[in-house]
Amino acid sequence: EPEVTQTPSHQVTQMGQEVILRCVPISNHLYFYWYRQILGQKVEFLVSFYNNEISEKSEIFDDQFSVERPDGSNFTLKIRSTKLEDSAMYFCASSGTDSGPQHFGDGTRLSIL
Amino acid sequence: GQQLNQSPQSMFIQEGEDVSMNCTSSSIFNTWLWYKQDPGEGPVLLIALYKAGELTSNGRLTAQFGITRKDSFLNISASIPSDVGIYFCAGVYSGGGADGLTFGKGTHLIIQP
Repeated sequence: EPEVTQTPSHQVTQMGQEVILRCVPISNHLYFYWYRQILGQKVEFLVSFYNNEISEKSEIFDDQFSVERPDGSNFTLKIRSTKLEDSAMYFCASSGTDSGPQHFGDGTRLSIL
Repeated sequence: GQQLNQSPQSMFIQEGEDVSMNCTSSSIFNTWLWYKQDPGEGPVLLIALYKAGELTSNGRLTAQFGITRKDSFLNISASIPSDVGIYFCAGVYSGGGADGLTFGKGTHLIIQP
C-alpha cells in the first residue's frame, strides 16, 4: 500500500541552527501538509500546500518556517534558527483531493539542544 | 481557532469489551476522521466520514458523523490487545483548498489482561 515516507526519523540540532525535514508524499497525491506534535499533546496543523504554493497556514507557522516542493516527489519543511520549543514530532501528510482523507508519515522527531 | 473536545481521555478495559469514544465541536465540519497512533509512529487513518448522519464500519470499528455536523463517535467492538493505542478524532471544514485538520486531544485505550 502506498505510504508517506519521512526522513530523517530523528534529528538532533543545536539551538539556532537550521533544519530541513523531508517528506515523500504518496505519488499521485496533490495536497501536502505538515503537522507538529509536542510530546504528550495533540497533533497541530502547521501548513498545507497545493499547486506549488501555500494553501493555508496556522498561527504556529511563522516566518521561522518555510515549505518547498523542490522536485516532483519531495516536500520539505525548513525551520530557520531553531528554538528549544521547536522540539516535537513533525508529521507530513498528503491527500489526493482537497477533501480526501489525509495519510500521515511516521514523523521526524526533532530534538533541539 | 477551532477546538475539538474528545472524551474520554483514557479508558481501561478488559479484552473483549466494547469501547466507545466521542468528539464534539463548537463549529461544524464537513469531514470527520478517526486515526489511531501507536508509540513512535504517525497517525493511521481508521475511518473517514463525509456526510451528516453517515454511519461507517471498518471491521470491528464503527463511526458516525453526527447530524448536527458538530460531533462524531467511534465504537470498537470485542476489543483485542492490538487495539491498544491512542485514538484521535479530527475534523475539517473544507472550503475547496488544502485545509488543515483540527485534532482532538486523543483517547488513550489500555486493555487489561
